[in-house]
Amino acid sequence: DGGITQSPKYLFRKEGQNVTLSCEQNLNHDAMYWYRQDPGQGLRLIYYSQIVNDFQKGDIAEGYSVSREKKESFPLTVTSAQKNPTAFYLCASSGTGLNPGELFFGEGSRLTVL
Amino acid sequence: KNEVEQSPQNLTAQEGEFITINCSYSVGISALHWLQQHPGGGIVSLFMLSSGKKKHGRLIATINIQEKHSSLHITASHPRDSAVYICAVHNTDKLIFGTGTRLQVFP
Repeated sequence: DGGITQSPKYLFRKEGQNVTLSCEQNLNHDAMYWYRQDPGQGLRLIYYSQIVNDFQKGDIAEGYSVSREKKESFPLTVTSAQKNPTAFYLCASSGTGLNPGELFFGEGSRLTVL
Repeated sequence: KNEVEQSPQNLTAQEGEFITINCSYSVGISALHWLQQHPGGGIVSLFMLSSGKKKHGRLIATINIQEKHSSLHITASHPRDSAVYICAVHNTDKLIFGTGTRLQVFP
């Protein structure tokens, strides 16, 4: 079955540590996205990628980094520069162009900084 | 002003009621999505629309491109419909999300 997989589901980090969240899809989608969700708030775009080896900053990219070396994979690194990293992180994928098709989301990764 | 606005923000209903959630947007779009997020956090896609109307079971979604407005209707609502419903639009190369409508359906 095609889908999008995020890991880990829960992650605890000490202040000053970098952590990497994994996002893998087997849907052959060109576009992949990372969002952050805080309690009671909507999804905010961190980074997105429309094609391999290319990605763009979203609205809240500071303190985060990504790579897109393979079409299937779009890992997100939460760096120590991110001042308030405790949040729920969601990865999504879709097609591109005038007919992007359905959106698929991972189950999310909940990051807690201790 | 947000580019995607949803109303209402919160909605409570008795089981069996007809429910409408609205979404207005101010940008050009290639598609509009209605999404459902349950308390555990996972999000599932309900509909993708670029014109007209779609129906799936008790859910109906409509879009008016000229008025830049979409509605999600739930007929014969049930407590298991309780969730956050999110409108999202595809604008050029990215998605823009509304802040969601929290629906609670009581038996």
